[in-house]
This record gives sequence, structure tokens and C-alpha cells, in this order.
Amino acid sequence: QVQLVESGGGVVQPGRSLRLSCAASGFTFSSYGMHWVRQAPGKGLEWVAVISFDGSNKYYIDSVKGRFTISRDNSKNTLFLQMNSLRAEDTAVYYCAKDKQGFTYQFESWGQGTLVTVSS
Amino acid sequence: EIVLTQSPATLSLSPGDRATLSCRASQSVTSSSLAWYQQKSGQAPRLLIYDASNRATGIPDRFSGSGSGTDFTLTISRLEPEDFAVYYCQQYGNSPRTFGQGTNVEIK
Repeated sequence: QVQLVESGGGVVQPGRSLRLSCAASGFTFSSYGMHWVRQAPGKGLEWVAVISFDGSNKYYIDSVKGRFTISRDNSKNTLFLQMNSLRAEDTAVYYCAKDKQGFTYQFESWGQGTLVTVSS
Repeated sequence: EIVLTQSPATLSLSPGDRATLSCRASQSVTSSSLAWYQQKSGQAPRLLIYDASNRATGIPDRFSGSGSGTDFTLTISRLEPEDFAVYYCQQYGNSPRTFGQGTNVEIK
């Protein structure tokens, strides 16, 4: 079955960087778009970024453009999120999610999430 | 940006009851591109419904979705103990893709 396991979260000071990873298994990773979705403590869900199956197309929510970079390594079935210039408002649980069919923005499977806390 | 407003914020019901959750969009959602997710406390969300009315794989038939345009509904025909959770709607027809703020279905 589909398994997504995030890692790399932690406590970081404002302005610093962090890199999240998501290890995928149980499906043909290289055939699906992949997303990052975040949830601030006690709040709702917010889509952050998406990458196409081959990495050629990437899109971001406005609030992270120029600061976050989504990437993937299909040879290692791994998704990444490089987060630079972190702000307090980036504090959230970050989930990686598999697209239902290619690039539909329907989040069919989710990881368990990794917590990022931006605080001095 | 399409704003999704879910109502009520909290729904207090008993096992066996029927639950009706509403999701209203600030403008028409393209091609009924609306999904519903369930999130239990401390867990990741789970896809329940896509394209407004199609159940995702493995979702029991007590869950059903309906609606089009700006008004959508998730119905749980008969609440089971494991159905008490927060439910989110999401539109994916327009950029940016957005979620509603959630409806908490709690045990009465």
C-alpha cells in the first residue's frame, strides 16, 4: 500500500533554512504529481506546493514563492521541500501528499506529517 | 481566490444520526472540482469524496457528496463512532487551490 514518510522538521530560528524529505513507497512514484500541504497548530489546511511527475513543472502558493523550492529524486522515490528565509507564520505540520491522478490537486494519500516550528 | 465557507463550525450529534455538512464557495467552482477530507485528531487527512460526488477508494457508502456551482454538501447517512472528526472541503478547479475552515463533528 501507499506509504509516505516525512522527515526533517524541527525548531529553527526566523530567517534560517530547513529541508524536508518525504520517502515514498507502494506506488510508482515517478508517475504522479506530489504536493506539500501544511497545517498551522489548531488551524486548517493550506496547500503549499506541487511538482509534476517528472519535476518539470512546479507551482507554489504566493506566500512561499521565492523562499521555498519543491524538488524530487525519482531514482530514490523521494520528495523534498527546501525552505529558506523562514518566518514565524511558516510554523506548521507539513504533509506530503500524492496526487490522485497525475496533476489534479486531489490529495489521495498523505504522510503522517513533520512539525516545523519557527521561533527565536 | 475562491473562499470556501463551511457550516456549521461544529455539529453535535449521536451515533446513528444523519450528518449534513455544507460548503459554500465565494464563486462558482469549475467543473464541480470539489473534494471532502476527514481528519481525526492527531492524524493526517483522508480523501473521502472527489469531483463533488465520487467516493474515494475504500470509503463506505454512508458517505455521499452532492452539489455544484457554489453549494456543496457532504452527508453521512448514519454516524459510526469512528466518523467523529473534522471535515474539510477543498476546491481544485481554480488557482490557488483552497480549503474550507472545517466542520467539527462531535459526539453529543
